[in-house]
Amino acid sequence: SQQGEEDPQALSIQEGENATMNCSYKTSINNLQWYRQNSGRGLVHLILIRSNEREKHSGRLRVTLDTSKKSSSLLITASRAADTASYFCATDYNAGNMLTFGGGTRLMVKP
Amino acid sequence: DTGVSQDPRHKITKRGQNVTFRCDPISEHNRLYWYRQTLGQGPEFLTYFQNEAQLEKSRLLSDRFSAERPKGSFSTLEIQRTEQGDSAMYLCASSLGSSGNTIYFGEGSWLTVV
Repeated sequence: SQQGEEDPQALSIQEGENATMNCSYKTSINNLQWYRQNSGRGLVHLILIRSNEREKHSGRLRVTLDTSKKSSSLLITASRAADTASYFCATDYNAGNMLTFGGGTRLMVKP
Repeated sequence: DTGVSQDPRHKITKRGQNVTFRCDPISEHNRLYWYRQTLGQGPEFLTYFQNEAQLEKSRLLSDRFSAERPKGSFSTLEIQRTEQGDSAMYLCASSLGSSGNTIYFGEGSWLTVV
C-alpha cells in the first residue's frame, strides 16, 4: 500500500482562486516532497519540506507539515490555467531516499 | 539541458520481447532511481543505485526486471519477456548525496506491450 494519500483526488476551480491539496502518511518521515505532473510528462519538483520544518514558501506555493497529525498541505494561490496538472506528495521515511508516492490530486483550473 | 535524460521516450513492443531503457542522470548526482507509473496512479519505486552499487532491488517487480549502472553514470533498465501488464511509464530520477536532498525526475519512457 502507498504511504501517502492525497485529498481530494480531483479538484476543479476557477482561475484566480486558491487550491489546497492535502496529503496524509502513515509512518515517521525524514522529509516530504511535492511534485507536479502534466499529462504524459515527467515529475517536476516543487518543494521539499524536512521533518523539523513546519512551513515553506516558493512563489505562489505554500507547503505546511504537521508531523503530529502525519499530514501536509499544498496551497497554490491565485491559480492559473497553467497550474492544471496532477500533484503528488512523496514521503522519504528511510535512509535510502526512496520516495513513496500517493495517488495524486488532479487539479483543473478553468480560465 | 542538464536535467535527467531518458531514452527512448516511447517504446511499443510485442509481448515476449525484451526492452531496455536508458537513463542519464544529472551530472555528478551519485544516486539514481527507477520508478514505474501506471495510468492514474502515483509512481512506484523499483530500485536505486549509489554510484555503481545497486543498494535496493527487492522492489523490482519480478526477475524479468533488472537494472545496471556499470560505471556509476548512466543506467539501464531491462525488462525481459515483456507482458501486457508491463505497459507503463518508467521514470528515472537522480539526486546528490544522502537522504533529504531533492530528487529530480526525467520525462519518463512510455512502454506499450501489444
